[in-house]
Amino acid sequence: SQELEQSPQSLIVQEGKNLTINCTSSKTLYGLYWYKQKYGEGLIFLMMLQKGGEEKSHEKITAKLDEKKQQSSLHITASQPSHAGIYLCGADGSGNTGKLIFGQGTTLQVKP
Amino acid sequence: DADVTQTPRNRITKTGKRIMLECSQTKGHDRMYWYRQDPGLGLQLIYYSFDVKDINKGEISDGYSVSRQAQAKFSLSLESAIPNQTALYFCATSDAGTREFFGPGTRLTVL
Repeated sequence: SQELEQSPQSLIVQEGKNLTINCTSSKTLYGLYWYKQKYGEGLIFLMMLQKGGEEKSHEKITAKLDEKKQQSSLHITASQPSHAGIYLCGADGSGNTGKLIFGQGTTLQVKP
Repeated sequence: DADVTQTPRNRITKTGKRIMLECSQTKGHDRMYWYRQDPGLGLQLIYYSFDVKDINKGEISDGYSVSRQAQAKFSLSLESAIPNQTALYFCATSDAGTREFFGPGTRLTVL
């Protein structure tokens, strides 16, 4: 079965610093989703990537899917306290089965 | 996503009690899912349903059952709750080719 591994598991950065979160799959990714979760709350959809080499940006957050479609990175530029939370990558590993598997999450703290 | 609602939002119960968590959606999606989240483990799929007549087990279905009462409603039951079922539970919906839309979550504590 497919597994997603996120790194790092937790991250503390100073406000204004850049950071990157990685999501590595044990198998080819057919769709890769990034969600953000505030502690104990629901998931907020950030971005979806499907094509190898694809890159999407929203405000100060950029996500990429590598050419081989087995790894994605989420990059935050000039982090702010509002970026704090848990970042989760999810993937449909079997091609439109609709069943997402998730990484274990990366907890981000941003110090003012 | 306000189009997916979960009730209750918080529940404290005792070991051995039967609990039902309900999920409703107004997005008109055929696919619905139940996940549980434990700290440091991400989300794990409990059950999923691709239409009213289709119910499938996920990764961690033991101790849980579900009912798809209508396209818009998907309920999760714990027949006899135990403490290690204490977790945050999420319902989600999707259609083929779309992302999953998540409910706000239900925090369940089993004493």
